[in-house]
Amino acid sequence: SQTIHQWPATLVQPVGSPLSLECTVEGTSNPNLYWYRQAAGRGLQLLFYSVGIGQISSEVPQNLSASRPQDRQFILSSKKLLLSDSGFYLCAWAYRDRVFGTQYFGPGTRLTVL
Amino acid sequence: LAKTTQPISMDSYEGQEVNITCSHNNIATNDYITWYQQFPSQGPRFIIQGYKTKVTNEVASLFIPADRKSSTLSLPRVSLSDTAVYYCLVEPSAAGNKLTFGGGTRVLVKP
Repeated sequence: SQTIHQWPATLVQPVGSPLSLECTVEGTSNPNLYWYRQAAGRGLQLLFYSVGIGQISSEVPQNLSASRPQDRQFILSSKKLLLSDSGFYLCAWAYRDRVFGTQYFGPGTRLTVL
Repeated sequence: LAKTTQPISMDSYEGQEVNITCSHNNIATNDYITWYQQFPSQGPRFIIQGYKTKVTNEVASLFIPADRKSSTLSLPRVSLSDTAVYYCLVEPSAAGNKLTFGGGTRVLVKP
């Protein structure tokens, strides 16, 4: 069966500090991968998605970036965090038969920027 | 871009059927309609997906009329554990179109 891991589970960072969130998927090959952010009490905002190694599509311009160094690894980064970057960050995977197939989400990372 | 509109919140009681209607007037021909459930501090979980008419699985039913401009998620005989936020999505069939989660519907099941 497929599993998706995210770490860390929670993170408190000062404004201006760097960020690196990691997501890995097990049990499947060549998945589409996605990063979402959810502000408190709000819906999910798609940040990035990837259909293959090194292929990243950005949905929202901001100070975040994503990379996919390996087939089942997706990394979300920032060089300098802003207060507005606080939120619940979710990684998801989907089979590659469609651009946006059924999304299988990880447990999430709750980021607080102070 | 097929934007979705669904009620902000709904209250129900244990054992009742809950129906949540979502409108998606600009749905494209090959787009799918998908519903997710989210509990606090967890990622959304896939519930059901459909293209037209009716789809049923072990947890829900999805009704889609012929014009596909709306869909209704039906949760039979809800329990307290069904208290969650339910999201309706239109899954774009073409690359370049955005996948958008709306605000969702907060369903509160009371004893």
